[in-house]
Amino acid sequence: AQSVTQLGSHVSVSEGALVLLRCNYSSSVPPYLFWYVQYPNQGLQLLLKYTSAATLVKGINGFEAEFKKSETSFHLTKPSAHMSDAAEYFCAVSEGYGGSQGNLIFGKGTKLSVKP
Amino acid sequence: GAVVSQHPSRVICKSGTSVKIECRSLDFQATTMFWYRQFPKQSLMLMATSNEGSKATYEQGVEKDKFLINHASLTLSTLTVTSAHPEDSSFYICSAQSQRTGRETQYFGPGTRLLVL
Repeated sequence: AQSVTQLGSHVSVSEGALVLLRCNYSSSVPPYLFWYVQYPNQGLQLLLKYTSAATLVKGINGFEAEFKKSETSFHLTKPSAHMSDAAEYFCAVSEGYGGSQGNLIFGKGTKLSVKP
Repeated sequence: GAVVSQHPSRVICKSGTSVKIECRSLDFQATTMFWYRQFPKQSLMLMATSNEGSKATYEQGVEKDKFLINHASLTLSTLTVTSAHPEDSSFYICSAQSQRTGRETQYFGPGTRLLVL
């Protein structure tokens, strides 16, 4: 069984400040991990993914995330927030290599607000 | 990049009617498509997994007779909400996995907002 926990349903940062969105996962098999962003009334856009290659993953829009197996974490960071980063962010897990289930299990989401 | 479309983007219907939502992979063949539902201010919940040419697999608690899924080709899956009721009002999002990238990536459609009056 798999699950995802996103700590903090709402994170607020100032423009130019560090963005840190936390995600912890639970998986009985090696996982694939994903971060998606959702703007209001839109679908999901993939920011980045971990699929058992490099543990530090770089994504679009300056975001990156580090897979830490010992901490079962996959936190999302961005050095300097931009106003356009304000959105809802979802962490998700699926079964990785050798697994059979391709469906994603999503966290509850973290709404990021960016103050001018 | 891989593009997934959904149609319609928004639909309003009367209680008791049926609504069909289409999900298309525009530039790749999708071996597997997924249907999710998202209620306001909540996360996405998987409803069912659809493989081309076979019956969909529904998640626990999802009524298969109410949410009919057809995956007739490698580029098209449809979700039909039968006898819709106000509690079915939600944001329905589909995703697709390509043959090439398999389980590594799901490409999401833009979503369909359903409002049942």
